[in-house]
Amino acid sequence: DQQVKQNSPSLSVQEGRISILNCDYTNSMFDYFLWYKKYPAEGPTFLISISSIKDKNEDGRFTVFLNKSAKHLSLHIVPSQPGDSAVYFCAARSGYQLIWGAGTKLIIKP
Amino acid sequence: EAQVTQNPRYLITVTGKKLTVTCSQNMNHEYMSWYRQDPGLGLRQIYYSMNVEVTDKGDVPEGYKVSRKEKRNFPLILESPSPNQTSLYFCASSAGGVGEQYFGPGTRLTVT
Repeated sequence: DQQVKQNSPSLSVQEGRISILNCDYTNSMFDYFLWYKKYPAEGPTFLISISSIKDKNEDGRFTVFLNKSAKHLSLHIVPSQPGDSAVYFCAARSGYQLIWGAGTKLIIKP
Repeated sequence: EAQVTQNPRYLITVTGKKLTVTCSQNMNHEYMSWYRQDPGLGLRQIYYSMNVEVTDKGDVPEGYKVSRKEKRNFPLILESPSPNQTSLYFCASSAGGVGEQYFGPGTRLTVT
């Protein structure tokens, strides 16, 4: 049973527009959430995080929103750039572990 | 340069032949972890280590062993590999517990 779900395997967005990646979770005990970005043949790299006591965190073009009542997390990228094409993973912290979603492949079209 | 290194990057082996994948970090991080990535399943944690000589099972530890004798190294050992361990493996480290983890480049293992 997957505790962290990314229901969209892929997403295609026009360059310059907003990209919205979604993540749902089932465990209300998760206290910290992270987004990672992964290019082919490389390891994931950390992008942005949010504590469960907040509902928004912003870093440049990247904003993460947390809706605890809906157990829903989203990552907004504005404006989307060609270099944003990658697989994005959300992860949730539970104790000493991170529980990961399956990833969403973001494709930025010129 | 701060980094996590893994070796080998690619490995093809046969069922039952013991192998070790090395992982080393140069950031003096206490926390290290091993993951496997399979299509449609994301990353699943195999083992993690909070510090030297302290290791614990993740979600999928069966068939794997680890050791943490030094802070910088965290090798993954497959005593008797089987085809269902064919996967992409990542080592990661972080300072002060589970948070922003730095990942190695990955090891693609094929067991025939």
